[in-house]
Amino acid sequence: QSALAQPASVSGSPGQSITISCTGTNSDVGGYDYVSWFQQFAGKAPKLIIYDVNKWPWPSENFTRFSGSKSGNTASLTISGLQADDEATYYCCSYADAAVIFGGGTRLTVL
Amino acid sequence: QITLKESGPTLVTPTETLTLTCSFSGFSLSSSGVGVGWIRQPPGKALEWLALIFWDDYKRYSPSLKNRLSITRDASRDQVVLAMTNMGPVDTATYYCAHWDSRLFDSWGLGTLVTVSS
Repeated sequence: QSALAQPASVSGSPGQSITISCTGTNSDVGGYDYVSWFQQFAGKAPKLIIYDVNKWPWPSENFTRFSGSKSGNTASLTISGLQADDEATYYCCSYADAAVIFGGGTRLTVL
Repeated sequence: QITLKESGPTLVTPTETLTLTCSFSGFSLSSSGVGVGWIRQPPGKALEWLALIFWDDYKRYSPSLKNRLSITRDASRDQVVLAMTNMGPVDTATYYCAHWDSRLFDSWGLGTLVTVSS
């Protein structure tokens, strides 16, 4: 059960959009619509920002700049209207037959 | 409001067994679809799922660590306990517990840093 594949880093300028990919297999990402995404700041616990591929947690208005999608074995997180405080590490996570797999994490730098 | 808090030793010696407790409130571990999981994160590294216990006492473990892990529940005390045997320096990490809602971890504890050193 290998970690889901994410790019180690991405960057963007304020106001721009960026996309982070998360690639798994037919047994996890491709087999279930149960992909979630977490935002983690240094020294803090992860925070859920997307679940079930493209749903927002409550209260949804806090997460509208984040959107998720999936095609085959690859899920994606898009952050629109980049802000300085989006600078964090983002992890994808997939349910896989009563088990759980995380991605390796992507460090987002806002230029 | 769901809250979770991890507790246990901050320092363990190599070969020792680590025992961590997750104390939670705001939900019942007897409710269908609910579970509590453990996730760890070595310093500067990625999240790694360890174990999950469900409302019906079904348990699942990370395949790479299943021989070293044991997860149990005390529903009457709203606690879940994780035991990990034969600790080594590579097991130094922040250990989190989290609320499982059918197919995702939606609420996390603050985490507890465990260092393995002699």
